[in-house]
Amino acid sequence: GAVVSQHPSWVICKSGTSVKIECRSLDFQATTMFWYRQFPKQSLMLMATSNEGSKATYEQGVEKDKFLINHASLTLSTLTVTSAHPEDSSFYICSAREGRQGSGNTIYFGEGSWLTVV
Amino acid sequence: AQTVTQSQPEMSVQEAETVTLSCTYDTSESNYYLFWYKQPPSRQMILVIRQEAYKQQNATENRFSVNFQKAAKSFSLKISDSQLGDTAMYFCAFMKQVSWGKLQFGAGTQVVVTP
Repeated sequence: GAVVSQHPSWVICKSGTSVKIECRSLDFQATTMFWYRQFPKQSLMLMATSNEGSKATYEQGVEKDKFLINHASLTLSTLTVTSAHPEDSSFYICSAREGRQGSGNTIYFGEGSWLTVV
Repeated sequence: AQTVTQSQPEMSVQEAETVTLSCTYDTSESNYYLFWYKQPPSRQMILVIRQEAYKQQNATENRFSVNFQKAAKSFSLKISDSQLGDTAMYFCAFMKQVSWGKLQFGAGTQVVVTP
């Protein structure tokens, strides 16, 4: 079946540096992908909607200059955490909607990426 | 704006028994979908069941079934014949039809199945 892959699964970075997380749809085209953040023992919070070929749509309260999202192809969206700080440490999960507009299309989740900022 | 409320932080159930997880939501939308997702310790999100709001019939998937009460905005999940592998965090989620793929999750309920 369809698979969404995230890379890396785990990443540790130093405070002040930037880190990139990739979300790939492996056997289908995903014009729209979604990025969520999950703190320990909490729910998933939607950060932004990533649209292929256009700017991402960010949820209220999410700093777009800090969390850069790029969706340059139909199979890849990237989330870059810029100038990372310890409070950015979290579990980041992406999901992808198979196909274009229309309800009923399956949503696939990536395996998630743990980010630790030291 | 929509809200999704799961009022049970944790539920414990013995193997082979039944457990019911509650979920309520608030929306002014007419066309929407509701989901239950399972998140085991691996953190992979797994779709358990999905309900279209326009359908009156409650969705079922093997040992999992829902009780969808649209007027009351309630969407509970029943796990029958609980198995050890059912131990996981369970999230109720809401999605507007016009925003397909954009999920709003409840706080989650940790289900622990004991031998």
